[in-house]
Amino acid sequence: RKEVEQDPGPFNVPEGATVAFNCTYSNSASQSFFWYRQDCRKEPKLLMSVYSSGNEDGRFTAQLNRASQYISLLIRDSKLSDSATYLCVVNPPSGSARQLTFGSGTQLTVLP
Amino acid sequence: NAGVTQTPKFRVLKTGQSMTLLCAQDMNHEYMYWYRQDPGMGLRLIHYSVGEGTTAKGEVPDGYNVSRLKKQNFLLGLESAAPSQTSVYFCASSLPGMGNQPQHFGDGTRLSIL
Repeated sequence: RKEVEQDPGPFNVPEGATVAFNCTYSNSASQSFFWYRQDCRKEPKLLMSVYSSGNEDGRFTAQLNRASQYISLLIRDSKLSDSATYLCVVNPPSGSARQLTFGSGTQLTVLP
Repeated sequence: NAGVTQTPKFRVLKTGQSMTLLCAQDMNHEYMYWYRQDPGMGLRLIHYSVGEGTTAKGEVPDGYNVSRLKKQNFLLGLESAAPSQTSVYFCASSLPGMGNQPQHFGDGTRLSIL
């Protein structure tokens, strides 16, 4: 089982739709969680951190479920500019040489 | 504000050739990283550094060497390039607190080994 697993998609949604992605992680001792966004052939950029109590940033909401070992990203009122690949990122327990572990990404296309 | 700058942006090598990828950051970050990204596999950590003069192996270090002689620079070397090293290479930097601090990425180096 991969340490971090994401549905690769693609998710094709119309403008204005609400879309949600899940990401599961295998190590229950993982400590920090992030969502990064990567545009085609560009570098990853931090979208938001994921806090235990859940957090919201405008149209984006991130949630963490430690019991089931998954994090989620909800995008409301999708814009064309939201089209990108969304990377789930997990910090394994300290002492691991791998540091942050990146999922392979979920591709989102928002259609006009 | 340049952030993280990688050079070169593109390179084609023949098997067995050597080359060095340069990463420079102007954010005074202590930590720097080299990743490779292959289709369907996500980013994988090659080597990282927690400060000037120190380096450590990541998940996929074989075939690569690194040096951090200056705080702002992190070099990735391929001594004898192999086709399996064809990939997109990203450098990143962050404040201390690896795993808890967001990483800032350069815009990548696309490397093809023939």
